[in-house]
Amino acid sequence: KAGVTQTPRYLIKTRGQQVTLSCSPISGHRSVSWYQQTPGQGLQFLFEYFSETQRNKGNFPGRFSGRQFSNSRSEMNVSTLELGDSALYLCASRAQENIQYFGAGTRLSVL
Amino acid sequence: QKEVEQDPGPLSVPEGAIVSLNCTYSNSAFQYFMWYRQYSRKGPELLMYTYSSGNKEDGRFTAQVDKSSKYISLFIRDSQPSDSATYLCAIGTNAGKSTFGDGTTLTVKP
Repeated sequence: KAGVTQTPRYLIKTRGQQVTLSCSPISGHRSVSWYQQTPGQGLQFLFEYFSETQRNKGNFPGRFSGRQFSNSRSEMNVSTLELGDSALYLCASRAQENIQYFGAGTRLSVL
Repeated sequence: QKEVEQDPGPLSVPEGAIVSLNCTYSNSAFQYFMWYRQYSRKGPELLMYTYSSGNKEDGRFTAQVDKSSKYISLFIRDSQPSDSATYLCAIGTNAGKSTFGDGTTLTVKP
């Protein structure tokens, strides 16, 4: 079974731009969660989608948004990028049990 | 106070040593206990998970959960340089919420 796939792996953007990251979960997994990971803050929960509905949300500004499609693939969008948005963005999928499987991440650098 | 507190490290041990990585948690509702290993510039990889108090063994790795003390540990026997990574504990509820520790960086020196 293929794992969680995230694209692109690396992104370089400038302040003020927007970015869209993509995540394809493990086949059969309907829940997709997004996390931001930085050296100083660890893993910070962004949001979780289940069956195209946002089910949980972390404490991030409205510039961070997401969606999930009927095939469970998910996208995350960050608008008006700031320098502090530079991070590794991780997507995780899970089945009914609360065991999450992570993708390799998208490393975003904002210049 | 954080819901999950992980021993911060970093930890440096000689090859062959026994390593103990530890986390405490505050919410009794947590029912899933997981350990992830993350190599530099990679995503976290699920190492082990358990639902109950007691020990669970997988090769050189043993996960231990003590629900009465709200304490979880990961033991690595005969540690190898390839075990050098950051280890994250994660604790979850039936509602689908997982909370992660900040990670402990382990270096195993040959």
